[in-house]
Amino acid sequence: EIVLTQSPATLSLSPGERATLSCRASQSVDSYFLAWFQQKPGQAPRLLISDITNRATGIPARFSGSGSGTEFTLTISSLEPEDFAVYYCHHRNNWPPSGTFGQGTRLEIK
Amino acid sequence: QVQLQESGPGLVKPSQTLSLTCTVSGGSIISSDHYWTWIRQHPGKGLEWIGDIFYTGTTYYNPSLQSRLTISVDTSKNQFSLRLTAVTAADTAIYFCARDAGRFGIDVWGQGTMVTVSS
Repeated sequence: EIVLTQSPATLSLSPGERATLSCRASQSVDSYFLAWFQQKPGQAPRLLISDITNRATGIPARFSGSGSGTEFTLTISSLEPEDFAVYYCHHRNNWPPSGTFGQGTRLEIK
Repeated sequence: QVQLQESGPGLVKPSQTLSLTCTVSGGSIISSDHYWTWIRQHPGKGLEWIGDIFYTGTTYYNPSLQSRLTISVDTSKNQFSLRLTAVTAADTAIYFCARDAGRFGIDVWGQGTMVTVSS
């Protein structure tokens, strides 16, 4: 079973700053199935990035994904007030089919 | 635009069975491109994949829940369902249904429904 470890647990930044969130897999993953989600209080998660680098429909260009193998990164180039939320990485294992989430990174206003 | 809506009891007694249904609207559950998924979130905690189902009825379960879990699909009603038996307080969570598009991510989510296990 692949375990995803996100760091840091909490990231305190100011609007306008750059945010870099990390997701490390316990073993090399099938790259196509690595995604990032944003969740705000009281809401369902929202897909930001799929397939490591592809922004979902309607996601601003300030969000970008990168990485390969066991190391993946979500970057927010210049934080907007609405970006402060919890972020999760997710891997869908191809076989046997299963899903794994990281434990989340809380992005808070400094 | 596909939308998902969870329904079911918000309170279940310990040792009983938790049953939820997800209704798919704006599109067909019969899709070779999607899995239909259940995910839960314990209060104040992260996300846990419960399992999913293909429209043919093929299921995949989280090994930690497999012995208590059944996910089924009713294509005539455009619904899929979750049954979790012998629940305890540890099953108290927000339960989300969602559409998993594989490499294209879990792209549609229900709003989530809170289920509390308590006597």
